[in-house]
Amino acid sequence: QQQVKQSPQSLIVQKGGISIINCAYENTAFDYFPWYQQFPGKGPALLIAIRPDVSEKKEGRFTISFNKSAKQFSLHIMDSQPGDSATYFCAASRGGTYKYIFGTGTRLKVLA
Amino acid sequence: DAGVIQSPRHEVTEMGQEVTLRCKPISGHDYLFWYRQTMMRGLELLIYFNNNVPIDDSGMPEDRFSAKMPNASFSTLKIQPSEPRDSAVYFCASSLAGGPYEQYFGPGTRLTVT
Repeated sequence: QQQVKQSPQSLIVQKGGISIINCAYENTAFDYFPWYQQFPGKGPALLIAIRPDVSEKKEGRFTISFNKSAKQFSLHIMDSQPGDSATYFCAASRGGTYKYIFGTGTRLKVLA
Repeated sequence: DAGVIQSPRHEVTEMGQEVTLRCKPISGHDYLFWYRQTMMRGLELLIYFNNNVPIDDSGMPEDRFSAKMPNASFSTLKIQPSEPRDSAVYFCASSLAGGPYEQYFGPGTRLTVT
């Protein structure tokens, strides 16, 4: 119940394409769903986050879609760029605990 | 403002030696987290502190691992004795109480135990 399942494990997209990464969770007590971006040799950094009271959140080229009934959320990267090549982690946390459960990560490569 | 600071950035040690990793959280942050990252297991939360008090250490793999936070600006993660399977990147992160729950990660310490 504490797991967050992330797919795919790796993704290759052409420049200008749409990258889509999916996550699923079981614990309905989770109420905060961030996405983190990690470049090689660096620590993860917050990209965008959503709460379950909204179904979509957009920041620039990055959009989170949230389906509460299906217990799924996804990250969409529009107009993907080579600079977006990184590893992306979804996560979930429960009711003010500040404790994240991270997905296993998706390694994205955007071809120039 | 300085981010989370970790030292050393790289550590190579022999099996059986004691290893101490250090972390300085962002000033004013109330929460401090220690994570381990490996290819096989991804990002694992080891332990986290609130106001210098350990809140959840259920992720600490064995008694060989210990963590302390003697004050608001310093924390250590110690492995004694170290084993080759402890080789990983160890991250420290900090967060501010009251939300929005963003965790700010340090650059990590790459530990290699031979």
